[in-house]
Amino acid sequence: ILNVEQSPQSLHVQEGDSTNFTCSFPSSNFYALHWYRWETAKSPEALFVMTLNGDEKKKGRISATLNTKEGYSYLYIKGSQPEDSATYLCAFIDRGSTLGRLYFGRGTQLTVWP
Amino acid sequence: DGGITQSPKYLFRKEGQNVTLSCEQNLNHDAMYWYRQDPGQGLRLIYYSQIVNDFQKGDIAEGYSVSREKKESFPLTVTSAQKNPTAFYLCASMEGQGPLYGYTFGSGTRLTVV
Repeated sequence: ILNVEQSPQSLHVQEGDSTNFTCSFPSSNFYALHWYRWETAKSPEALFVMTLNGDEKKKGRISATLNTKEGYSYLYIKGSQPEDSATYLCAFIDRGSTLGRLYFGRGTQLTVWP
Repeated sequence: DGGITQSPKYLFRKEGQNVTLSCEQNLNHDAMYWYRQDPGQGLRLIYYSQIVNDFQKGDIAEGYSVSREKKESFPLTVTSAQKNPTAFYLCASMEGQGPLYGYTFGSGTRLTVV
């Protein structure tokens, strides 16, 4: 079982603060990295699928970067809003694994206070 | 609207009983997955299927069984052999044959053994 680490485990910020969290994964045999947002009582929703070293993706105030050589990805939220409160999951796909099989981190739980 | 429907939302099982969790999708996705979430842990893969009438064990398949008789349906049976079945269960599907697309998730079933 491949190890995917996310930090911090939880984060509390004030509305308007910018924040970032980290996902670490094995740097060998990289194929793809996914980021998901999981709001309470809802289904996890795909944010980004990243495949190339140096990839940067952006969706509104949320962006992500990828470094496959050192095995990490950062998720940034600019000007956090209460509606950004959710658990953010990253998931790694190993090139040697059966296609589509994801290894998930434990998530970072973000709470944004108004 | 296309999506994944999991039912029931809450399920209570007595010791020694088998129970089946339903997962139906109308997205025409080939691949489907079952994950389990326990407090403080990442999502762990139970079973997955990439085509009808074929499925593979994930990391924690013991005590579970699945079937994939139709493309739309991937039910999970939690058998009495599963030692600690109380958990949150998520079903997911993925478009295409490669992991370059995000998963679509259902809203989950919370199973409690009483």
